[in-house]
Amino acid sequence: QVQLVQSGSELKKPGASVRVSCKASGYNFPTYGVAWVRRAPGQGLQWMGWINTDTGNPTYAQGFTGRFVFSLDTSVSTAFLQISSLKAQDTALYYCARMVFASDYFDYWGQGTLVTVSS
Amino acid sequence: SYELTQPPSVSVSPGQTARITCSGDALPKKYAYWYQQRSGQAPVLVIYEDTKRPSGIPERFSGSSSGTKTTLTISGAQVEDEADYYCYSTDSGGDHNVFGGGTKLTVL
Repeated sequence: QVQLVQSGSELKKPGASVRVSCKASGYNFPTYGVAWVRRAPGQGLQWMGWINTDTGNPTYAQGFTGRFVFSLDTSVSTAFLQISSLKAQDTALYYCARMVFASDYFDYWGQGTLVTVSS
Repeated sequence: SYELTQPPSVSVSPGQTARITCSGDALPKKYAYWYQQRSGQAPVLVIYEDTKRPSGIPERFSGSSSGTKTTLTISGAQVEDEADYYCYSTDSGGDHNVFGGGTKLTVL
């Protein structure tokens, strides 16, 4: 069965970096994209962008350029989200999701990774 | 930037029909998708391509679309349907994917 398993919660200080992993199983990894979605406290879901697992090409939504980097290790069917120069406002649950090419929607989700930024 | 507009909250009694709307200028040309997020859980796809229901989603969930508005209908809402619901789509150019602001459904 399709599964996306994310890495565990992170507690970081402002200015630090964090990397969240998302390991896929149960399907052919290069045939679906991986999207990243944020849910900050008290807010709704926010589309961050996605990475094409076939070409490695990332696409970033407005507001998620510069400090946010999507990457892959296709040898282990894993996608990564790295956030640098962390700010308190980056505190949120971060989800990865399997993205259907051409239709651009998500059919399976990871369990979420809580990133807390606090001094 | 493109926006999808949802009501912040909808409240129904168990067994009643809940309707959650989502408005966006590009919806006549672009499909909408609906996600359910229960408290403490990851989102789940409940409707795709405006009207289609994924396997495993109860038949009481349905979707419809007319003009710039798309609607998620839960016929005979159950207590377990209490959750946040989000519509999702893209602008007419396909460049900006967005979620609606979310609707909190209360069933009690």
